[in-house]
Amino acid sequence: QKEVEQNSGPLSVPEGAIASLNCTYSDRGSQSFFWYRQYSGKSPELIMFIYSNGDKEDGRFTAQLNKASQYVSLLIRDSQPSDSATYLCAVNVNDMRFGAGTRLTVKP
Amino acid sequence: DGGITQSPKYLFRKEGQNVTLSCEQNLNHDAMYWYRQDPGQGLRLIYYSQIVNDFQKGDIAEGYSVSREKKESFPLTVTSAQKNPTAFYLCASSIAGLGQNIQYFGAGTRLSVL
Repeated sequence: QKEVEQNSGPLSVPEGAIASLNCTYSDRGSQSFFWYRQYSGKSPELIMFIYSNGDKEDGRFTAQLNKASQYVSLLIRDSQPSDSATYLCAVNVNDMRFGAGTRLTVKP
Repeated sequence: DGGITQSPKYLFRKEGQNVTLSCEQNLNHDAMYWYRQDPGQGLRLIYYSQIVNDFQKGDIAEGYSVSREKKESFPLTVTSAQKNPTAFYLCASSIAGLGQNIQYFGAGTRLSVL
């Protein structure tokens, strides 16, 4: 079982829709959770981080964490074509573990 | 202008050659990291350093070496022992190692074999 699993996609949504990206992790001791956005050929940039169960909102982005289910998600409201990228889920226990990423395409 | 600078952006290695990738940060971060990214895969940790003159192997350290003589610098050498070096290499830093600290990334170096 991979430590951090993501659906590789591609996930395609129309402009203005909600994009939902999911991530599961295997280590119950995981303490902190991150979402990075990576445009093609570029380095990852931090979108959101969350440490506690529940929802955390920042603009159009909402991170959701459920430690009991070992599940973290990222919702992108009012998706824009500029949101088209690969989204990496990262989980920190003793070091940072990254998922392989979900490729999101937002169609105009 | 604070950040993490990686150079060169593109690098080509001949067979049997060692090459060194540069990573410099002016964020005053204690911890620095090197990751490798292959197409369709997540980032894999090569080496990390939490303090000057100390570093630890990550999951895929074989064929790589690092040094941490200064807080600002964490160069990575890809040795001839690394038989499949073609990848995108990312350097990151954080305020302190592990725990809840957010990692910030440089722009990356793309290494190819001639």
